[in-house]
Amino acid sequence: DAMVIQNPRYQVTQFGKPVTLSCSQTLNHNVMYWYQQKSSQAPKLLFHYYDKDFNNEADTPDNFQSRRPNTSFCFLDIRSPGLGDAAMYLCATSRGEVDTTYEQYFGPGTRLTVT
Amino acid sequence: KNEVEQSPQNLTAQEGEFITINCSYSVGISALHWLQQHPGGGIVSLFMLSSGKKKHGRLIATINIQEKHSSLHITASHPRDSAVYICAVDNTDKLIFGTGTRLQVFP
Repeated sequence: DAMVIQNPRYQVTQFGKPVTLSCSQTLNHNVMYWYQQKSSQAPKLLFHYYDKDFNNEADTPDNFQSRRPNTSFCFLDIRSPGLGDAAMYLCATSRGEVDTTYEQYFGPGTRLTVT
Repeated sequence: KNEVEQSPQNLTAQEGEFITINCSYSVGISALHWLQQHPGGGIVSLFMLSSGKKKHGRLIATINIQEKHSSLHITASHPRDSAVYICAVDNTDKLIFGTGTRLQVFP
């Protein structure tokens, strides 16, 4: 089945120790999103790729970086995780065409704990 | 004031009851999405609509563009419907999320 896969599902890292979360998709969608969702809050968009074009949200901290080496994979790098970065990180994909709206397909999320 | 407001925030129902969750928004949109999130995190897209009404199984979603309002209905609710239901609107290629409605359906 075509899907959005996130690895790992649970990640524990130490304060200040870099961590990478990964997302892959078999949908061949050209848009990929990374969201951060803290407990009982709505998801917050960190950035998205439209093909290779990277779009950073204005309030996304510099501590968060992303890479998209090809259509299928997208990575979220947290350079120096703080306690406040503990959250669920959700990857989503969608088809992207100018002036057309498509559904977003979400992965199962990676729950990050910072100790 | 949030750009997307949902009500109620929490909802408890007995199995079999008809459920309605409401969403109002204050921005221009190209589409409105209803999403379901179970404990443990994964989000599932239930509906995307820009006008009228859509039905999928026991779920019905309606939208009134003039009134900037949408409703999600669940008929014959079941305990497995227990989840957080999130309304999100598509605004300039970004989703703006409501804060969700936590639904618990008891047998």
